[in-house]
Amino acid sequence: QKEVEQDPGPLSVPEGAIVSLNCTYSNSAFQYFMWYRQYSRKGPELLMYTYSSGNKEDGRFTAQVDKSSKYISLFIRDSQPSDSATYLCASYVGAGNMLTFGGGTRLMVKP
Amino acid sequence: GAVVSQHPSRVICKSGTSVKIECRSLDFQATTMFWYRQFPKKSLMLMATSNEGSKATYEQGVEKDKFLINHASLTLSTLTVTSAHPEDSSFYICSARLRTANTIYFGEGSWLTVV
Repeated sequence: QKEVEQDPGPLSVPEGAIVSLNCTYSNSAFQYFMWYRQYSRKGPELLMYTYSSGNKEDGRFTAQVDKSSKYISLFIRDSQPSDSATYLCASYVGAGNMLTFGGGTRLMVKP
Repeated sequence: GAVVSQHPSRVICKSGTSVKIECRSLDFQATTMFWYRQFPKKSLMLMATSNEGSKATYEQGVEKDKFLINHASLTLSTLTVTSAHPEDSSFYICSARLRTANTIYFGEGSWLTVV
């Protein structure tokens, strides 16, 4: 079993839809949770960063972490075609530890 | 957010030659830098972790003599692909961890084509 699991998609939604992207993880020691967006042929771009459980909102993006169920979510409101990309969740224990990625979910927002 | 710069963004080299890719943290000090390789439509594969002033730690299956990593300062790490072969053609990405926080930022990546 991978430490961080993510549905590869592709996930196709119409413009304006609310998108829900999810990951599960198995390592209960993970404390830091991140979401990255990666456009084709580009490096990943940090979208959201959360420490421990809870919600974090930034514009159209909301990240949720539920440590009790080991579940990580990213919600995108009013999705736009420019949101079409691969979204990677990632977690790690703390300083000095490497980042563990999910496999990425490819999102397509159709106009 | 913090900026990590990679150079070159694209490079083509002849088989048997060596090529160096630079990763710089432009506005912060990075205690740790990571090097990844990514194949088309695949997830990132960690190659090695480098801490400033010490030897890099390579992941299992990654040849340390082929992929030379140097982390000479808190703002610069380099990956040198030695005696490159066509199968080394790939997208190489670095990331850096802020010294003062636990956030990790990625560079734009470098496309290597070995002909």
